[in-house]
Amino acid sequence: SAVISQKPSRDICQRGTSLTIQCQVDSQVTMMFWYRQQPGQSLTLIATANQGSEATYESGFVIDKFPISRPNLTFSTLTVSNMSPEDSSIYLCSVLPGPRQPQHFGDGTRLSIL
Amino acid sequence: QKEVEQNSGPLSVPEGAIASLNCTYSDRGSQSFFWYRQYSGKSPELIMSIYSNGDKEDGRFTAQLNKASQYVSLLIRDSQPSDSATYLCAVNQVNDMRFGAGTRLTVKP
Repeated sequence: SAVISQKPSRDICQRGTSLTIQCQVDSQVTMMFWYRQQPGQSLTLIATANQGSEATYESGFVIDKFPISRPNLTFSTLTVSNMSPEDSSIYLCSVLPGPRQPQHFGDGTRLSIL
Repeated sequence: QKEVEQNSGPLSVPEGAIASLNCTYSDRGSQSFFWYRQYSGKSPELIMSIYSNGDKEDGRFTAQLNKASQYVSLLIRDSQPSDSATYLCAVNQVNDMRFGAGTRLTVKP
């Protein structure tokens, strides 16, 4: 299965600042996704990172708040902008290697905003 | 109607018992089905994949799929305290994976 490296693993940030999370895969994958998960809650899909075009955002998430890049088939970034305490969560990168295959997850980024 | 539904639990079973986790899905075009295990504070990890009707066994785990009933289940035999986790059902329509909310399982010694 794909090996996913997600950085940073955790961070504590000040209100109003921005943080960029990186996701690197060891092989080319069809699709990359970004999720958010509050402790004890289910996964919430933020967006699908599309290679060479703008990301596709789910309802309730906007590009100005969560800009995403995907410059190639193995790398993506998620930026959490103008952070507030409500953004404190775990952010997960996930990849889909190909059609009908399972998704695989990075280890996640635990983000706390003071 | 949610696309993938699971009982949220918590489900509690004694050590050594069979844990039964259930999942239903709404899209009849779904082609592949997965179970993930997520320990507290960790990311989801794939434990079972199933693509055709019937049972698929892997060690103590058995996945069951019934496409006519749009139903997927996971059985864990001889449950161990280390099986205590949240189990996520996932359904894929080619390139579009949908996750259930997860069922929290506790195995009591």
